[in-house]
Amino acid sequence: GENVEQHPSTLSVQEGDSAVIKCTYSDSASNYFPWYKQELGKGPQLIIDIRSNVGEKKDQRIAVTLNKTAKHFSLHITETQPEDSAVYFCAAPSYNNNDMRFGAGTRLTVKP
Amino acid sequence: DTAVSQTPKYLVTQMGNDKSIKCEQNLGHDTMYWYKQDSKKFLKIMFSYNNKELIINETVPNRFSPKSPDKAHLNLHINSLELGDSAVYFCASSRTLGNQPQHFGDGTRLSIL
Repeated sequence: GENVEQHPSTLSVQEGDSAVIKCTYSDSASNYFPWYKQELGKGPQLIIDIRSNVGEKKDQRIAVTLNKTAKHFSLHITETQPEDSAVYFCAAPSYNNNDMRFGAGTRLTVKP
Repeated sequence: DTAVSQTPKYLVTQMGNDKSIKCEQNLGHDTMYWYKQDSKKFLKIMFSYNNKELIINETVPNRFSPKSPDKAHLNLHINSLELGDSAVYFCASSRTLGNQPQHFGDGTRLSIL
């Protein structure tokens, strides 16, 4: 089945700095890569996703890059703010595309 | 309006009891899921339903049984609760099966005494 590895498990940055979280996947046929943000007491919420026909996608302060050859994709958050503090999950399709497999999560802390 | 709602938000019960968690989505999605999130925040898929058919069933004990009365609902029944069942359970939905964004509920925190 699909293995999704996510690093780092925790990340602490100063407000205004950038944060980068990286995920690797094992199935070269995977073609959809979402990122979710989970705030305390809430369910994960989709913040950005990318399909394998593009290498980068941006939405204001967040961006996702995809390297299909190396089988990794990354979440980039610029000009971080305290409200960006949360747990972030990457995901990739399972081998039969019937569901998504999630990374182990990254706890991001943005210090004011 | 809440897109994916699950009840109850908290569930505290004793070992050996039987309990249910309800989930409803008003997005008109065809596929619904149940996930288990453990204390380390790891999200594990338990079940998914597409047009009322069970699509996947991971290595989940048969004490757990999903029930879908219609496309908008996927309830989770748990029999003979064990200590290890303590976790947060999330319901989610997506437009179709496969590579689609998933919309999550806010979770049900199950605590077994």
